[in-house]
Amino acid sequence: EVQLVQSGTEVKKPGESQKISCKASGYNFSRHWIAWVRQMPGKGLEWMGFIYPGDSDTRYSPSFQGQVTISADKSINTAYLQWNSLKASDTAIYYCARRHSGAYYDYMDVWGKGTTVIVSS
Amino acid sequence: DIQLTQSPSSLSASVGDRVTITCRASQNIRTYLNWYQQIPGEAPKVLIHSEFHLQSGVPSRFSGTGSGTDFTLTISGLQPEDFATYYCQQSSATPWTFGQGTRVEIK
Repeated sequence: EVQLVQSGTEVKKPGESQKISCKASGYNFSRHWIAWVRQMPGKGLEWMGFIYPGDSDTRYSPSFQGQVTISADKSINTAYLQWNSLKASDTAIYYCARRHSGAYYDYMDVWGKGTTVIVSS
Repeated sequence: DIQLTQSPSSLSASVGDRVTITCRASQNIRTYLNWYQQIPGEAPKVLIHSEFHLQSGVPSRFSGTGSGTDFTLTISGLQPEDFATYYCQQSSATPWTFGQGTRVEIK
């Protein structure tokens, strides 16, 4: 079974750093892009970017470029989302999702359950 | 960036109703339009990909149509488990973008 298991809820203070994870199983991790999607409290979905674990090629939404770092370690089938200095406005649920793409299709077919990050002083 | 505009933003419907949600793209996105369902407290789940392809395991009461810039998700015979928020999403170009969501509530 294809699964993405995300790390647990984090409560942090503004200015702190944070790295959350997304561990894949049930498929060849290196061959599928992993996307990150933000959902702020009571709001919609926002695509942050994705990474190809095979060669770490990474694409960011301009809205998130420079604000976060997406990385992956293919030796342990895990993708990461990292902040150097959190802000209160980073409070949200963060989902990872597998990109499933081919000749005529391109979508996110498997999702993690989400990691809640709360940033509060 | 490609903008997606969903309508309505919310609707009230009864079990058994036929429900239609539309999604308009700011430019031609060919068939790269996907629909997701999000039940409160859960992760999104793909229903329809590539405009009209039903994702494996999704009930056939869900269907999608489109024409490059205008797309429709239809639920034929709303069920209690369908009360959720629905999002369209384009994968024609990065940055990928989502519509603002349509909340389907019980009448």
